[in-house]
Amino acid sequence: DAGITQSPRHKVTETGTPVTLRCHQTENHRYMYWYRQDPGHGLRLIHYSYGVKDTDKGEVSDGYSVSRSKTEDFLLTLESATSSQTSVYFCAISEAHAGNTIYFGEGSWLTVV
Amino acid sequence: DQQVKQNSPSLSVQEGRISILNCDYTNSMFDYFLWYKKYPAEGPTFLISISSIKDKNEDGRFTVFLNKSAKHLSLHIVPSQPGDSAVYFCAAIPTQGGSEKLVFGKGTKLTVNP
Repeated sequence: DAGITQSPRHKVTETGTPVTLRCHQTENHRYMYWYRQDPGHGLRLIHYSYGVKDTDKGEVSDGYSVSRSKTEDFLLTLESATSSQTSVYFCAISEAHAGNTIYFGEGSWLTVV
Repeated sequence: DQQVKQNSPSLSVQEGRISILNCDYTNSMFDYFLWYKKYPAEGPTFLISISSIKDKNEDGRFTVFLNKSAKHLSLHIVPSQPGDSAVYFCAAIPTQGGSEKLVFGKGTKLTVNP
């Protein structure tokens, strides 16, 4: 198993509150990703990082921000949570860039009420 | 506009028989394809991949076939086992694209009945 730890694994929060999800890796991989999975949509990329302090937007980045201050940690923040952000969030890592296999964490279940 | 399509949301097969999961894509620039398996309450796990320079890749009970002219790939599981019951995602990366360009299908839920 790839050394990826997501926290918290489950969270219920209220609309309008900020939420931060943490992804920690022990593989020293350069690339880290945040995906969300929703019924009928598969997995969609929110943001990704290609190095410390280097991040970029994915397909569904609105309402989310990320930070990567250390190689091993990638944080996803919902500035003001909305019900549409109720989802399962997966962190992923990859060693290289092109055509490389991505390994996923176990997921964080977020419910916004 | 879906670039990777898994048109069968679910598939049910008997233990010991072959499972065939299909995936179609629309972007001719895709040149690397992957299959992931996902159990409930777990993250997706990499299963098998294939480069566009090949038309077949085999790993144990799992074989992926790629038909570039038809923009179609399929995953064959032989023989199917109850532990194979999971959601299977097809994914693709374009030429010149990095892993951030990985595009997933919506998944097919496979049920293998004992």
